[in-house]
Amino acid sequence: AQSVTQLDSHVSVSEGTPVLLRCNYSSSYSPSLFWYVQHPNKGLQLLLKYTSAATLVKGINGFEAEFKKSETSFHLTKPSAHMSDAAEYFCVVTPVSGSARQLTFGSGTQLTVLP
Amino acid sequence: EAGVAQSPRYKIIEKRQSVAFWCNPISGHATLYWYQQILGQGPKLLIQFQNNGVVDDSQLPKDRFSAERLKGVDSTLKIQPAKLEDSAVYLCASSLGSGAAYEQYFGPGTRLTVT
Repeated sequence: AQSVTQLDSHVSVSEGTPVLLRCNYSSSYSPSLFWYVQHPNKGLQLLLKYTSAATLVKGINGFEAEFKKSETSFHLTKPSAHMSDAAEYFCVVTPVSGSARQLTFGSGTQLTVLP
Repeated sequence: EAGVAQSPRYKIIEKRQSVAFWCNPISGHATLYWYQQILGQGPKLLIQFQNNGVVDDSQLPKDRFSAERLKGVDSTLKIQPAKLEDSAVYLCASSLGSGAAYEQYFGPGTRLTVT
């Protein structure tokens, strides 16, 4: 069994300040972890993924996330928020092995960027 | 390259009516997924196809939902009869393969409102 908990449903930051979106996971197997972004009326887009290689993962648009097994966390960060970062972000877990690797999505964090 | 196409983008029906959604995946993608995203929640996998075979339909309400992927390319998802709780965005995604290493590419979704 696997699950994801996104600790904040809404996060608001000022433009130019750091972003932190928190995610904790639970998995019976070694997990692969992802962050997806969803802009209004657009499809989900992959930001970054962790698949048991380097624990610090860099993604698109300056985002990165660190896999911490001891804390079962995979928090998403960005040093400086931009207005275009305003969107909904989903943390996702799936087992590394298995034939039907169902993605389990968190409930999402809505990021607001204030001017 | 063209992305995942879905139609219609919006649909409003009355309860007990039938509705069908269409998805055209990225060319060459063997794996196709249908997700249901209820407002305020993350997407939930309904069904996964590998070519034209079903890999996982454990969360598909089979008494009212059906899906097919004839010829292993396009897919349709049908609801018959619809209930109020089926109001959601239905997302189609595709990937080259079914492993965690393969990125899922999402379409823009079909927003269904059941009145």
